Amino acid sequence: QKEVEQNSGPLSVPEGAIASLNCTYSDRGSQSFFWYRQYSGKSPELIMFIYSNGDKEDGRFTAQLNKASQYVSLLIRDSQPSDSATYLCADVTGGGNKLTFGTGTQLKVEL
Amino acid sequence: EPEVTQTPSHQVTQMGQEVILRCVPISNHLYFYWYRQILGQKVEFLVSFYNNEISEKSEIFDDQFSVERPDGSNFTLKIRSTKLEDSAMYFCASSVGQGGRNIQYFGAGTRLSVL
Repeated sequence: QKEVEQNSGPLSVPEGAIASLNCTYSDRGSQSFFWYRQYSGKSPELIMFIYSNGDKEDGRFTAQLNKASQYVSLLIRDSQPSDSATYLCADVTGGGNKLTFGTGTQLKVEL
Repeated sequence: EPEVTQTPSHQVTQMGQEVILRCVPISNHLYFYWYRQILGQKVEFLVSFYNNEISEKSEIFDDQFSVERPDGSNFTLKIRSTKLEDSAMYFCASSVGQGGRNIQYFGAGTRLSVL
């Protein structure tokens, strides 16, 4: 059974700090990884995706992928209270189109 | 900015009744999806649809579920005889292409409450 694992949190960070969110996956065939943000009662909203080993930066967000360790992370720099949400990690295997989601990590950015 | 539109935002139904959830995908997208999220649980894939056919479905998507693209814009999910455990948020998504480098954009969701 293909799994994407995340710590459910909550992860609490002070405003302005770096938040680090982690995700592991079980399927070595997974090729692309997506980070979605979900506010309570709302739909998932894409933050960024990554498919190559290494880092990918977009504004305050950096995604990191290590395929050998089957590990994906998302760093949020200069965290803001508006970043408080649940962050969902998802993967897609090969040419397929099914997103497999983790349970999500709840992030709380405190003033 | 183009978006995926879902109606209704909230649907209340009695157990055993049929419901149809509606979605208008982004206009140039060719791949359509339904996901569901039971309260407090993870988002789960139900089905993907391309070229008027189901391309992939999960174990959840049993004979009670069906999808259809009745015209050039709408994409629907039908649940024939609702059960209490069908209560969830149902999200429609669409993408231009398939595979890991195509982004799936989600609609705002329909909250289905089965009483």
